[in-house]
Amino acid sequence: DAKTTQPNSMESNEEEPVHLPCNHSTISGTDYIHWYRQLPSQGPEYVIHGLTSNVNNRMASLAIAEDRKSSTLILHRATLRDAAVYYCILRTLYNQGGKLIFGQGTELSVKP
Amino acid sequence: EAGVAQSPRYKIIEKRQSVAFWCNPISGHATLYWYQQILGQGPKLLIQFQNNGVVDDSQLPKDRFSAERLKGVDSTLKIQPAKLEDSAVYLCASSDNDLDRGSSYNEQFFGPGTRLTVL
Repeated sequence: DAKTTQPNSMESNEEEPVHLPCNHSTISGTDYIHWYRQLPSQGPEYVIHGLTSNVNNRMASLAIAEDRKSSTLILHRATLRDAAVYYCILRTLYNQGGKLIFGQGTELSVKP
Repeated sequence: EAGVAQSPRYKIIEKRQSVAFWCNPISGHATLYWYQQILGQGPKLLIQFQNNGVVDDSQLPKDRFSAERLKGVDSTLKIQPAKLEDSAVYLCASSDNDLDRGSSYNEQFFGPGTRLTVL
């Protein structure tokens, strides 16, 4: 699985949008971009995933660059509950049933 | 729907002692994973089961760690003997993916983890 690069930490104000970047310059054509997040003292939870097109769900939006070498997770209105470590992970089509390879992730803090 | 259950939530032991963790996955999930998360790092896969067979245990320190998943449901992870560097959170996850069928995302559901401290 190809590697991703994320900032170690980011800060946001409550009720403002948050854009969490992820670089994956060595992504291959069969790699899906997945995001998981880990709230304090909990296990990780799935947020969103995509291949080429932008994706929206009830939790967040995923914007994927045209060349697919980077992506951005967008939280439209940050709440205190969104304070967590966010992991950007690549999974190949042929490894969708397999392990998640976690990096360091981005620790997001949200100020009231 | 009940989530992934793990016990105990916390465990403190002396080095060279043994310890076991238990995981009950979401009902019907064929695949079960054990991850180790050292403080400040992302989780690292130790072992993956498909039903009661091992799919990937390449990162499991087999001289001291063992895991089993009897009857393809619950699983236990054991450390014997424990070392100081085994202090970590042990996470269990499950998913309902059928490896033969394949899928585009196969979401993994994680339990709350067991925090192990080795003194």
